[in-house]
Amino acid sequence: DTAVSQTPKYLVTQMGNDKSIKCEQNLGHDTMYWYKQDSKKFLKIMFSYNNKELIINETVPNRFSPKSPDKAHLNLHINSLELGDSAVYFCASSQVAGAIVQFFGPGTRLTVL
Amino acid sequence: KQEVTQIPAALSVPEGENLVLNCSFTDSAIYNLQWFRQDPGKGLTSLLLIQSSQREQTSGRLNASLDKSSGRSTLYIAASQPGDSATYLCAVKNAGNMLTFGGGTRLMVKP
Repeated sequence: DTAVSQTPKYLVTQMGNDKSIKCEQNLGHDTMYWYKQDSKKFLKIMFSYNNKELIINETVPNRFSPKSPDKAHLNLHINSLELGDSAVYFCASSQVAGAIVQFFGPGTRLTVL
Repeated sequence: KQEVTQIPAALSVPEGENLVLNCSFTDSAIYNLQWFRQDPGKGLTSLLLIQSSQREQTSGRLNASLDKSSGRSTLYIAASQPGDSATYLCAVKNAGNMLTFGGGTRLMVKP
């Protein structure tokens, strides 16, 4: 019944490793997003995909690579993890690009040791 | 560049009190403003959305106001309950498809 789901919920890993976070939405939405929430609780957009095509790419290191196999999925792969990557990552979706309301997933807490 | 600030960063009140959370933004050219609730380990829940042409929205014990010209919004919670304890985030939507979030107000309502 979950609208936007993310896996895993928690991820603890060593510096230098490569990891992926998966996101799926069953709302039939066209647009999906990735946000990063820092230690001060600010959420900042990282990427947005509309119908599997990248439409927003904020200043994010090349180590972060989103992949959208279909419009219901937007996965986030991170190479060579660094300490500063530790944060909560939220996936979201909206009916169309520019839609008023976005639906958020539960978040993935990434801790890099 | 839009900046969103929320004051206070943390608030602790006894049950039953009415309270006000504040949100300010630097660029008044917004499409809408949303208030979200964030519970630990859970996603964000949208509480209220105010279009740029609106002055306020109400949902149950919650009332959000918007003064676009002064770059301010308030979230009023009436008769607070322990279940209201959470972090409250405001976010504004500017041109494009992006939300800019404030840092949140961490609310604790004590029984």
